[in-house]
Amino acid sequence: GAVVSQHPSRVICKSGTSVKIECRSLDFQATTMFWYRQFPKQSLMLMATSNEGSKATYEQGVEKDKFLINHASLTLSTLTVTSAHPEDSSFYICSALPVETQYFGPGTRLLVL
Amino acid sequence: TQLLEQSPQFLSIQEGENLTVYCNSSSVFSSLQWYRQEPGEGPVLLVTVVTGGEVKKLKRLTFQFGDARKDSSLHITAAQPGDTGLYLCAGWGGGGADGLTFGKGTHLIIQP
Repeated sequence: GAVVSQHPSRVICKSGTSVKIECRSLDFQATTMFWYRQFPKQSLMLMATSNEGSKATYEQGVEKDKFLINHASLTLSTLTVTSAHPEDSSFYICSALPVETQYFGPGTRLLVL
Repeated sequence: TQLLEQSPQFLSIQEGENLTVYCNSSSVFSSLQWYRQEPGEGPVLLVTVVTGGEVKKLKRLTFQFGDARKDSSLHITAAQPGDTGLYLCAGWGGGGADGLTFGKGTHLIIQP
């Protein structure tokens, strides 16, 4: 299957700082990538759709000024959590859509102290 | 808003038993995917079902897509401890910019 990578795999930061997470499609081009968040023992919740060359679209209840998404190329999307707070601690997962099926990255564990 | 109801949420059975996980919705999906996720890792695709009534088999796992493309099931035969994990169903609306709608997941534990 298609390969999607994420970096970093885990990050610990202080409250109030910003954290950038990268999502790369390694063996295909993706005009669309997706960002999900997963809290412990829960399922994945779609946060936003990242569109190459245009603005991301956010799901209801997700603050676009807090979760900045940049899809600068066909193989890279970044999610920046700005002014992170402890409640932002979660598992962030990206996915890309080569054809009809989404392939997921390995996830980024964010812990905000 | 499309919703997927997945059941059961938790299941613990003995090795060798059979089990079925259900995924139901009032909405029609273009396709439905089943994923398995290990702790601290991203979901790994098991199967995609596209056609109503479709049945796909993956060794001891049998996946079925409902005729109306609103529901799906995952059946595991003779479960093994290695099957332990979080199983997620996810529906895709069909648009190129559509994210997946996930069920709440089924935490499966197979006891030796």
